[in-house]
Amino acid sequence: DAGVIQSPRHEVTEMGQEVTLRCKPISGHDYLFWYRQTMMRGLELLIYFNNNVPIDDSGMPEDRFSAKMPNASFSTLKIQPSEPRDSAVYFCASSFGLDATYEQYFGPGTRLTVT
Amino acid sequence: GQQVMQIPQYQHVQEGEDFTTYCNSSTTLSNIQWYKQRPGGHPVFLIQLVKSGEVKKQKRLTFQFGEAKKNSSLHITATQTTDVGTYFCAGFGNAGNMLTFGGGTRLMVKP
Repeated sequence: DAGVIQSPRHEVTEMGQEVTLRCKPISGHDYLFWYRQTMMRGLELLIYFNNNVPIDDSGMPEDRFSAKMPNASFSTLKIQPSEPRDSAVYFCASSFGLDATYEQYFGPGTRLTVT
Repeated sequence: GQQVMQIPQYQHVQEGEDFTTYCNSSTTLSNIQWYKQRPGGHPVFLIQLVKSGEVKKQKRLTFQFGEAKKNSSLHITATQTTDVGTYFCAGFGNAGNMLTFGGGTRLMVKP
């Protein structure tokens, strides 16, 4: 398996523009997670899905952020409109399960810069 | 909510010296996982501890889970430049269903 795939790897956009980040989880994994990493706030969980259904989006910073998972092999995280403070590395991760026995597999991340 | 704290935030060591990072939870954990993130990379799973007082070793790395299951440590013996990176602990609470990551300890090794 190729692991978790994310695209693009780098995104530079201007404030106010819409940004869409994409993720393909590992085949067979039932859980998908979106994280944001910054120097100031560390690794933050934004939202996670189980069998394509959003379960907990309490980490989504505000209404400008939205995430979807239309099928088991694809998820998107959208920011509209983007702001400079959204600059961060966004990771997608997937796992077989959610309980304590399952590790999370992270994708390579998307480095987002909003100018 | 559950909080997981790690200390120190940063650690510089000379190659060959030992290194330890500590992880403390505000609540009792059902398990704890450790991840390593190389500079410019993504977190990669290292190990999981489940039992109270558990100790596991991976070559020069020793992982411990506290008796009360509220703290954990990672000790690296005789660091090498390949050990450079940020080490994260992540804990599952007994009542919760979320993996909460600590802030990480960034290890820098001088050759």
